[in-house]
Formats: sequence, structure tokens, C-alpha cells
Amino acid sequence: DVKVTQSSRYLVKRTGEKVFLECVQDMDHENMFWYRQDPGLGLRLIYFSYDVKMKEKGDIPEGYSVSREKKERFSLILESASTNQTSMYLCASSPSQGGLAGGPHFGPGTRLTVT
Amino acid sequence: AQTVTQSQPEMSVQEAETVTLSCTYDTSENNYYLFWYKQPPSRQMILVIRQEAYKQQNATENRFSVNFQKAAKSFSLKISDSQLGDTAMYFCAFMKHNTDKLIFGTGTRLQVFP
Repeated sequence: DVKVTQSSRYLVKRTGEKVFLECVQDMDHENMFWYRQDPGLGLRLIYFSYDVKMKEKGDIPEGYSVSREKKERFSLILESASTNQTSMYLCASSPSQGGLAGGPHFGPGTRLTVT
Repeated sequence: AQTVTQSQPEMSVQEAETVTLSCTYDTSENNYYLFWYKQPPSRQMILVIRQEAYKQQNATENRFSVNFQKAAKSFSLKISDSQLGDTAMYFCAFMKHNTDKLIFGTGTRLQVFP
């Protein structure tokens, strides 16, 4: 079974702090994704990576950056956390041609609160 | 740009009954995939069922089946013999062929009661 793990289930940070959310997958997947989940808005793609050191902006990249130095690890960085970044963050991974393979696998999520 | 619409924010069903969750999408693509994901309360998002747009036959996974109407751009999920464990948020999602990126609807919260 694919396992996608995220470093924290719950995180509380202060406005202006630099925040790192870590995601690790154990299935040698090429693709990794960061989504943000908000009530009434569903999941929105922040960034994704299709290979080591490769990244592409999703629909809402403002205020975020990412890092993928190793294939199994994909980090989401909030350079200067703001209260409007309080949300649930979901990491996912998939092989290339993920649609054929059955779709991305998701981690448990990190609920981030910025105060 | 593709969009996915789930018009039912909340639904409820009695145990053992059947419920249908609606999903419509907008795309000009011909090759794509459609998914239903389930997110139980405080638990991980898991794939329920997947449909390939070039296949006319509706996908089925045990008690879960879809009604895929390509011309109408409709992709509803039917849950038969509902169980308490089906209580969850359900998300419909679209993936354009060769992109690997999911576009999600806003979700439907399903409550199954005894």
C-alpha cells in the first residue's frame, strides 16, 4: 500500500513565522502535490512537482514556495505566515500517468492555525 | 479551464438505503478521468471509484457505482445499502489526460443515520 505521511497533524504558528510542512511518500512516485482544503471551497492546488527539483505553480501559489530535493520528499514553505493561511493542507503523490494508475494517494493532512 | 460542481453541500440517508451524490463538470477535453474521493471525519482521503472518459461502461466498486453521462458532463455517485461507515465528505474530481493534476468540487457531506 502507498503510504504518504505528513510531519504534523496539527500546527499552530504566529503571524510572520516561516513555516515548513513536510511530506514523504514511500512508493517512488514521480508526482507530488500540495493542496489546501477550506470549507465550501474544496481542495485547491498550491504547487506540484513532477520530478526532483522540478515544480509548477498550481491555482493558488501566492505566499507559498516548495522544495523537492529528494524524490520521496516534498516540502511546502510559508515564507511569512499570515492568518489567511489558516487551513488544512493535504499532500498527495502519484506515479506519472496517474490517471491510469488510479489517481493520487493522499496523506492525513496538516491542520495549520496561524494566530 | 475545467470546473467541477457539486450542488449538494449536505445529504443524509438512512442505513441500508440508497443515496446518489451529484457532480457536473465543464471541459472541452475529450480524454480525461473522473474520480470520487471519500474523506471520513478526521481521517485520510481515500479513492472510492474512478472512471475513464473513453469507456462508456459505468464503473462499479462493490456498493459504489457511478452514472457517467459524457454528453451531459455528469458524473453521479450511487451508494447502495448505505452503512454508518459511509459517513464522510465526498469529493468529485476531474483529471485531464496526461496532466496528473486533480480539479476538485466543493464536496458533499453525507451523513448516514441508523
